[in-house]
Amino acid sequence: SQWGEENLQALSIQEGEDVTMNCSYKTYTTVVHWYRQDSGRGPALIILIRSNEREKRSGRLRATLDTSSQSSSLSITAAQCEDTAVYFCATDAGSNYNVLYFGSGTKLTVEP
Amino acid sequence: AQTIHQWPVAEIKAVGSPLSLGCTIKGKSSPNLYWYWQATGGTLQQLFYSITVGQVESVVQLNLSASRPKDDQFILSTEKLLLSHSGFYLCAWSLGWGEQNTLYFGAGTRLSVL
Repeated sequence: SQWGEENLQALSIQEGEDVTMNCSYKTYTTVVHWYRQDSGRGPALIILIRSNEREKRSGRLRATLDTSSQSSSLSITAAQCEDTAVYFCATDAGSNYNVLYFGSGTKLTVEP
Repeated sequence: AQTIHQWPVAEIKAVGSPLSLGCTIKGKSSPNLYWYWQATGGTLQQLFYSITVGQVESVVQLNLSASRPKDDQFILSTEKLLLSHSGFYLCAWSLGWGEQNTLYFGAGTRLSVL
């Protein structure tokens, strides 16, 4: 993606392990979205972090944002099989909030 | 509760044939509407957005066009399909910008162009 990038990788972990996915973006953004997409379905927002926040938590999810390095991360604690999905970060274009750019995505597989 | 419905669920079309995909949002007045395209195993690429009836902005030209004939309806179309149009088409809505720009996606339309 021109604007948002993730390490294009497939991650496979065991249930109960922690995992972190990274995302870098190339321009100023007001907010970083993290979406998960289950196979054959549309993505759904799981956590959103604003440019004035360094960390955001939601249940077993933790998102961080470093505006100086234009990077964000998503961590899942004690992953479960149902966390298996593709995870995307998305950022707006700064100058046009109606355009949202998605990163390359990380395919996470959690094995029982 | 808001619902978003996309049709058809899947299409198999011939190269050079026309295409029309639709999306309807219920339960939300004057939403921002979006079309995204996703290649198999790929990321999401925004194609169009619309913030009001009758107005559509293009983000990426892929020999596709979009229209918003009603407040709750968004249409994606082309007169001549290309092989490269194959993929997963997703319609989405949002309330606006920044945090309110959270996208709520439909279930998508799987398009195969042969």
